[in-house]
Amino acid sequence: DTAVSQTPKYLVTQMGNDKSIKCEQNLGHDTMYWYKQDSKKFLKIMFSYNNKELIINETVPNRFSPKSPDKAHLNLHINSLELGDSAVYFCASSPRRSSGVLQETQYFGPGTRLLVL
Amino acid sequence: QQPVQSPQAVILREGEDAVINCSSSKALYSVHWYRQKHGEAPVFLMILLKGGEQKGHEKISASFNEKKQQSSLYLTASQLSYSGTYFCGTSKTGPGNQFYFGTGTSLTVIP
Repeated sequence: DTAVSQTPKYLVTQMGNDKSIKCEQNLGHDTMYWYKQDSKKFLKIMFSYNNKELIINETVPNRFSPKSPDKAHLNLHINSLELGDSAVYFCASSPRRSSGVLQETQYFGPGTRLLVL
Repeated sequence: QQPVQSPQAVILREGEDAVINCSSSKALYSVHWYRQKHGEAPVFLMILLKGGEQKGHEKISASFNEKKQQSSLYLTASQLSYSGTYFCGTSKTGPGNQFYFGTGTSLTVIP
């Protein structure tokens, strides 16, 4: 009964390919996020999605697109993968976002380790 | 926009104390603290919302200064299980609300 789950755990692919990472949360949370953690362990938010409101970090290339079929799922699609996309991608969720800012605990998935060759 | 943490890394012996600082040039709406063990996901520790707030228990606690530009995490009588990378995080108000993690502090506790 994992709270936030991601698949796959590991993803190795060639440059130029298109891939997806899936995320599901069974906590009933309203807001979901995608983070990228690079080799230096810097964690950067990519997207947050709340009641159909998508907030995008302006530094994220448009090759990355989140897709939410319902409140419990937020998938990440990546087109034309590049070497620099290699990183660990974390999905997270929180109960809600109050007054436009994050006041709640975020629960993280186990991460997807992406390696682009 | 990204909070700066200090120190970058610290090595402690079991039982020693440590302080991790998180600083910003602008007032923060809130401060969140997370710990990430190697190969695992970040795990929530605590949130501070008010200037002057102190929170936590005797072993791990945090403070948020009055101007809300600095937070400190206090680890007392460290245990081996405290090892990991500690991140502070903060929200930004206004258009394009975002959440920023700090630069991280690697803490290693040795026997």
